[in-house]
Amino acid sequence: EDKVVQSPLSLVVHEGDTVTLNCSYEVTNFRSLLWYKQEKKAPTFLFMLTSSGIEKKSGRLSSILDKKELFSILNITATQTGDSAVYLCAVQPGLTGGGNKLTFGTGTQLKVEL
Amino acid sequence: DGGITQSPKYLFRKEGQNVTLSCEQNLNHDAMYWYRQDPGQGLRLIYYSQIVNDFQKGDIAEGYSVSREKKESFPLTVTSAQKNPTAFYLCASSIWGGGNQPQHFGDGTRLSIL
Repeated sequence: EDKVVQSPLSLVVHEGDTVTLNCSYEVTNFRSLLWYKQEKKAPTFLFMLTSSGIEKKSGRLSSILDKKELFSILNITATQTGDSAVYLCAVQPGLTGGGNKLTFGTGTQLKVEL
Repeated sequence: DGGITQSPKYLFRKEGQNVTLSCEQNLNHDAMYWYRQDPGQGLRLIYYSQIVNDFQKGDIAEGYSVSREKKESFPLTVTSAQKNPTAFYLCASSIWGGGNQPQHFGDGTRLSIL
């Protein structure tokens, strides 16, 4: 059974801090790992990672994958109150392992205070 | 404007009643998915459909039913057999199969028991 574990479960930081969110996984026939941000409603897509060691970056957010150690991290620098959200990690198996089905972790609740 | 529309935003169910949640997408995606989200838990897959007139059970299909008569529509019925239906329900869609394409989500329906 595919499994995704995120840590920490929750985190409170002050504006301007840098945070690192962790995601470890076990999946049959790995294809990709995805990060989503969920505020009140729909999760919004952040990154899809398929190759080890290649950093993906978007503004103050960045993410990297380690396929040997089976984990990924999501970094947020110079945090702002608008970064407060639940960050979800999900893994996608290869086509023979279930196609586009995603297995999600429980999420990390991030709160950024002034 | 392309996207996924879920309705209603809030829904209340009486004991013994079946209720249907609507999900419509105009992204021309082949695949559609239904997830359930409970507090402190990640998203869990209920049903998914790769193509019209075909659908597969996910990890927690008991007490739910779906249909896929049109490419753009994937309604979910929560039956009276689902004994703990109170949750946040999210619909998603994606391109199926080849290529690395993320799932995109609707804004969700919050279902409560009266």
